[in-house]
Amino acid sequence: DQQVKQNSPSLSVQEGRISILNCDYTNSMFDYFLWYKKYPAEGPTFLISISSIKDKNEDGRFTVFLNKSAKHLSLHIVPSQPGDSAVYFCAATGTGANSKLTFGKGITLSVRP
Amino acid sequence: DSGVTQTPKHLITATGQRVTLRCSPRSGDLSVYWYQQSLDQGLQFLIQYYNGEERAKGNILERFSAQQFPDLHSELNLSSLELGDSALYFCASSSRGGGGAKNIQYFGAGTRLSVL
Repeated sequence: DQQVKQNSPSLSVQEGRISILNCDYTNSMFDYFLWYKKYPAEGPTFLISISSIKDKNEDGRFTVFLNKSAKHLSLHIVPSQPGDSAVYFCAATGTGANSKLTFGKGITLSVRP
Repeated sequence: DSGVTQTPKHLITATGQRVTLRCSPRSGDLSVYWYQQSLDQGLQFLIQYYNGEERAKGNILERFSAQQFPDLHSELNLSSLELGDSALYFCASSSRGGGGAKNIQYFGAGTRLSVL
């Protein structure tokens, strides 16, 4: 049972345009959500996060939106740059002492020059 | 550079063999996590150690075991290897033991295991 779903395996956008990466979750106990970016031959790196008490968090070109009622979050990258081409993982966790990160399968973003 | 070091980067072995993957966490981090990423799969959580003690367990096979040593480095032992164990194995570390905003996990570059 996949609790964090990234249903689109890939996305291709033009440089300068907006990239929207979507993520859905099923476990209502999740209350903290993260996005990680992964380049080939490297480990995932933390990008941005959002708590369930917020509906938006912004960090430079990256904004994460959370729709708790729909159990849906999205990552917006504006403007997209070729260096953003990577695999993006959505992850979710609770806040308890034994909470663990549950990852989606990832979306491969390609930004065309 | 995340500060998390994993060795070796690549490992090629045969079915039935046993291997050990090593992870050194970021300086000051007390938690170490192990993940497996198979082809076309997300990162599957295997196990977490916090300050030397097992804290949480995921879908870790009985053939796999881990430990965290007093200097906080961790080892993941994989035995009786099967072809299906071929995967990327990532280690992550964090400062705390639980979830939430103050416990971001930082990942190493991974060990690619090939079982032939």
